[in-house]
Amino acid sequence: NAGVTQTPKFQVLKTGQSMTLQCAQDMNHNSMYWYRQDPGMGLRLIYYSASEGTTDKGEVPNGYNVSRLNKREFSLRLESAAPSQTSVYFCASSLGTFSGRSTEQYFGPGTRLTVT
Amino acid sequence: LAKTTQPISMDSYEGQEVNITCSHNNIATNDYITWYQQFPSQGPRFIIQGYKTKVTNEVASLFIPADRKSSTLSLPRVSLSDTAVYYCLVGLYNQGGKLIFGQGTELSVKP
Repeated sequence: NAGVTQTPKFQVLKTGQSMTLQCAQDMNHNSMYWYRQDPGMGLRLIYYSASEGTTDKGEVPNGYNVSRLNKREFSLRLESAAPSQTSVYFCASSLGTFSGRSTEQYFGPGTRLTVT
Repeated sequence: LAKTTQPISMDSYEGQEVNITCSHNNIATNDYITWYQQFPSQGPRFIIQGYKTKVTNEVASLFIPADRKSSTLSLPRVSLSDTAVYYCLVGLYNQGGKLIFGQGTELSVKP
């Protein structure tokens, strides 16, 4: 039982390049989330998926797109990377929408992205 | 979404009890209060969650007064390994658990 896994662990991009961050969970959770964390800051929600087939914007969605590929996988895409997107990206999952325990989220190890 | 306010940093010594208070004046009726712990270079880890009164698990206690405008995370007998950032969050259980992370409280435990 691996929990939440993310790939890659590290990535360096040039301005304007695109890439997709992958996330998968094996806990049969319904809800999944993408956050970014800048140095010395708390996490900010980019997008979330309350259940398979649905996605919604969080606090900072501009410059990102997401795909809930199936119940297990939730990917984050940067279409044209900018230096302001240099950050650590965390994926998380939770049991489900219709439960108070949806606030109990399980986080992956993070992807460190640098855009030059 | 409810915003939270908590101290930016706290210092403690090994063996002491640490209490971190969080204020959330505009918490909604359906919001749960959740605390996370984050070590450097790792994702946050769920510690404890509560709705009202008191919740206790193997690592912490959470005290929530009747008006629910604040909550206190209590860590008994901290050790050096409890040095981390602690986040207080309130979230909507019926909207995908959308959470807002503040800056958190950086706890430093000294020998």
